Amino acid sequence: GAGVSQSPRYKVAKRGQDVALRCDPISGHVSLFWYQQALGQGPEFLTYFQNEAQLDKSGLPSDRFFAERPEGSVSTLKIQRTQQEDSAVYLCASSPARGSSSYNEQFFGPGTRLTVL
Amino acid sequence: AQSVTQLGSHVSVSEGALVLLRCNYSSSVPPYLFWYVQYPNQGLQLLLKYTSAATLVKGINGFEAEFKKSETSFHLTKPSAHMSDAAEYFCAVLYSSASKIIFGSGTRLSIRP
Repeated sequence: GAGVSQSPRYKVAKRGQDVALRCDPISGHVSLFWYQQALGQGPEFLTYFQNEAQLDKSGLPSDRFFAERPEGSVSTLKIQRTQQEDSAVYLCASSPARGSSSYNEQFFGPGTRLTVL
Repeated sequence: AQSVTQLGSHVSVSEGALVLLRCNYSSSVPPYLFWYVQYPNQGLQLLLKYTSAATLVKGINGFEAEFKKSETSFHLTKPSAHMSDAAEYFCAVLYSSASKIIFGSGTRLSIRP
């Protein structure tokens, strides 16, 4: 079946522009996660949804970052007034519901590489 | 604070040699443990996971890892390296179900012909 997909795969923005990154999770997956991976580092947690509810947003670095998942499926990560330090790969992951054999696994998409000039 | 430490940001081995990538976690409670591999410009692929069923975990591509509670370690090994194993490897920890994964900083594995 189809995995997690993300679009666009690459995004170049001028400093100060707003960007929106999209994540399509695996169909039926309840949980959705966003991570930020700076160059040469491991991914760092940004935020987590269970269905449409955003249960943890403790990793969002500033109020310029906003995520939503209005219908409990597709999610969008929005970054307002982008800064150079926002340049990174943004990874989305999804997990199935409790009861699945893969319940504690997170399945990752290919990421969106954001470059802020 | 909960953390994952990967010793060695870069490991280089000869083709056919043993691969050993080290990972230690900070916790008194055995968590869920994972090893992921990342090829250039790609997402993370799960190599293997520990979920308390067995301390020696076998994964894809001939990799395996052993959970040692006394050492709080989860080192990744492969008996014989292939050129195709060259990639970035991340050790990761999940402390409670349906929550964020904490990743190590990664180890870049290079394979010498």
